[in-house]
Amino acid sequence: AQSVTQLGSHVSVSEGALVLLRCNYSSSVPPYLFWYVQYPNQGLQLLLKYTTGATLVKGINGFEAEFKKSETSFHLTKPSAHMSDAAEYFCAVTRPTGRRALTFGSGTRLQVQP
Amino acid sequence: GAGVSQSPSNKVTEKGKDVELRCDPISGHTALYWYRQSLGQGLEFLIYFQGNSAPDKSGLPSDRFSAERTGGSVSTLTIQRTQQEDSAVYLCASTPTGEPHEQYFGPGTRLTVT
Repeated sequence: AQSVTQLGSHVSVSEGALVLLRCNYSSSVPPYLFWYVQYPNQGLQLLLKYTTGATLVKGINGFEAEFKKSETSFHLTKPSAHMSDAAEYFCAVTRPTGRRALTFGSGTRLQVQP
Repeated sequence: GAGVSQSPSNKVTEKGKDVELRCDPISGHTALYWYRQSLGQGLEFLIYFQGNSAPDKSGLPSDRFSAERTGGSVSTLTIQRTQQEDSAVYLCASTPTGEPHEQYFGPGTRLTVT
C-alpha cells in the first residue's frame, strides 16, 4: 500500500521568499514520486518527478525537490516565490511497475503575499 | 499539440438521474485514467485503461459507476442514479507509451447533483 502526507494545508509566503512544501510518503516498494500544481478551475500540471537516478530533481517554473529515502520525504522548494506561484500543490506516489495510478496527498494551498 | 479534453466542463443534474462524462486523451496515448476530486475525499483513483487489456476498476466507489474506452481512444464515465455525494470534479489523464509514469490531465468536469 502507498500513502502520501502533506504537512500544512495552507502555506503563506512573501513574494521573493523561499517556498517549502512538505511531502512524506509511505510505500512498500521503491516509489516514484511527483509534484503537481493546480491553478483555479484547471486540471493538474506536472511540476517534476523522481523515478530513479539523481535524487535532486528540477522541474518547471524554478521548482525542485529532493528524494530522501532515509526520511521518506520529497519536499518541494523554490528559492524565490512569485505571485504567479499561488496555486494548490499535490504530492503523489506510484509504483514502478504494474498499476501506475497515482496516490495523492491532500494538497497544500500556497498563497504569495506582495 | 492538443491536450486532454473533457466534456462537459460543468454538469448539473438532479439526484437519481444518469450522467455521462467524456474524455478525449492525447492522440497516441495508450493509458487512460479517471480520478475524482472532492472536498471530503481529495483526489482518488477510479479506473485505469491500458491498451486492449481489461480495465482496472478497483477504484470505482460503487456499481453505479462504470466506464468504457472505445477504439483505444475516447472514454466515457457513466454514473447511474446519481447521489449528492457524487458531486465532485472528475479528472481524466492519459500517458504516452514511452513515459508510462507521466500523466497528462484534462481540465475536469465539475458535476453537481442537486
